[in-house]
Amino acid sequence: DGGITQSPKYLFRKEGQNVTLSCEQNLNHDAMYWYRQDPGQGLRLIYYSQIVNDFQKGDIAEGYSVSREKKESFPLTVTSAQKNPTAFYLCASSPAWPPGELFFGEGSRLTVL
Amino acid sequence: AQSVTQLGSHVSVSEGALVLLRCNYSSSVPPYLFWYVQYPNQGLQLLLKYTTGATLVKGINGFEAEFKKSETSFHLTKPSAHMSDAAEYFCAVSDGEGGGFKTIFGAGTRLFVKA
Repeated sequence: DGGITQSPKYLFRKEGQNVTLSCEQNLNHDAMYWYRQDPGQGLRLIYYSQIVNDFQKGDIAEGYSVSREKKESFPLTVTSAQKNPTAFYLCASSPAWPPGELFFGEGSRLTVL
Repeated sequence: AQSVTQLGSHVSVSEGALVLLRCNYSSSVPPYLFWYVQYPNQGLQLLLKYTTGATLVKGINGFEAEFKKSETSFHLTKPSAHMSDAAEYFCAVSDGEGGGFKTIFGAGTRLFVKA
């Protein structure tokens, strides 16, 4: 089945540590995205990539980094510079049409201890 | 600039009752509109979408929504609520240009279904 796979589902981190969240898709979509979700705040865009080897900052990119070396993969690193990293992280991809429709992974919940 | 407003962060209905979740949007160009559903600790799943054509859109699980340009609304309805409908629902708008990074999400409405 085609879809988006995120791992790990749950992750615990000590303060000061970097962590990397994995996102893989087999939908053959060019565009991929990372969102952060906090209770009552909806979805906020962290980074997006419209093509391999290119990515752009979203609304809340500080303290995060990404890479896009392969079409299928778009990992997100939460660095120690992120002041409040505890959140639910969602990866998504989109086809060329219709514009704006997103396909989501199951999410990764990061908790900083 | 686009925006989405979902009226009511929480909505509670009885099983078998009508579900109505409200969404209003603003967009300077003809919008593409979406409703997504999210179950606890899961990703978002597309319920339905409006791009062009018929303004009454039917989606999965018996949900439908009507695009009303004059009211800038895209309310989600279901005639009879089921316990399994309890989830959080997000309305989203895109201007149809560029990519998904231009998709704007509402803050979400949590639906509770009482037995």
